Amino acid sequence: DTEVTQTPKHLVMGMTNKKSLKCEQHMGHRAMYWYKQKAKKPPELMFVYSYEKLSINESVPSRFSPECPNSSLLNLHLHALQPEDSALYLCASSPRGTSGYNEQFFGPGTRLTVL
Amino acid sequence: AQSVTQPDIHITVSEGASLELRCNYSYGATPYLFWYVQSPGQGLQLLLKYFSGDTLVQGIKGFEAEFKRSQSSFNLRKPSVHWSDAAEYFCSCRSNFGNEKLTFGTGTRLTIIP
Repeated sequence: DTEVTQTPKHLVMGMTNKKSLKCEQHMGHRAMYWYKQKAKKPPELMFVYSYEKLSINESVPSRFSPECPNSSLLNLHLHALQPEDSALYLCASSPRGTSGYNEQFFGPGTRLTVL
Repeated sequence: AQSVTQPDIHITVSEGASLELRCNYSYGATPYLFWYVQSPGQGLQLLLKYFSGDTLVQGIKGFEAEFKRSQSSFNLRKPSVHWSDAAEYFCSCRSNFGNEKLTFGTGTRLTIIP
């Protein structure tokens, strides 16, 4: 298995809902990332997990809560989101943690719409 | 702080013509450099990467890039584009030590005309 998978592909939620995004990789990668991408912009880093520990939080609002239950799985829990949080949420992984000769592999993304 | 500049927001090329997308980086040392491609509504696909060694790197889909330290550039090239190459292209860099994040350029949108 040589890919990063993300579910769901699309998600529509109200501002009072609680939902979760899921990301999985079975390549034995040791770092996983969440990015947010608005239309016509590059991805913006949100969180990084390295060896299952949160290593970077880019001052993301607490309505976004990441979780890394094991080395293959990364979740992003969403609660009380705002319409401006509508975006493409991308997950990525890299083989050898976050440093050294390491490239990131991206999943297809979850298109989130907040009403 | 490192930065990446892609000076061309939008490029239009005829199918079969050659392509060069420009990328300049600002960083004190030699960073690790990457090119990604993104089709509409999709994730990013890694085209190629430069860590060290040979400054001309080959990637997937017939793309190549050349690292020029003197110009702080990492331009992407393809000798003959196909209609399926129409997409957004992002150049990115990361420092070569520590747990630094990936810095992206603003992207270049490539349109292919028949």
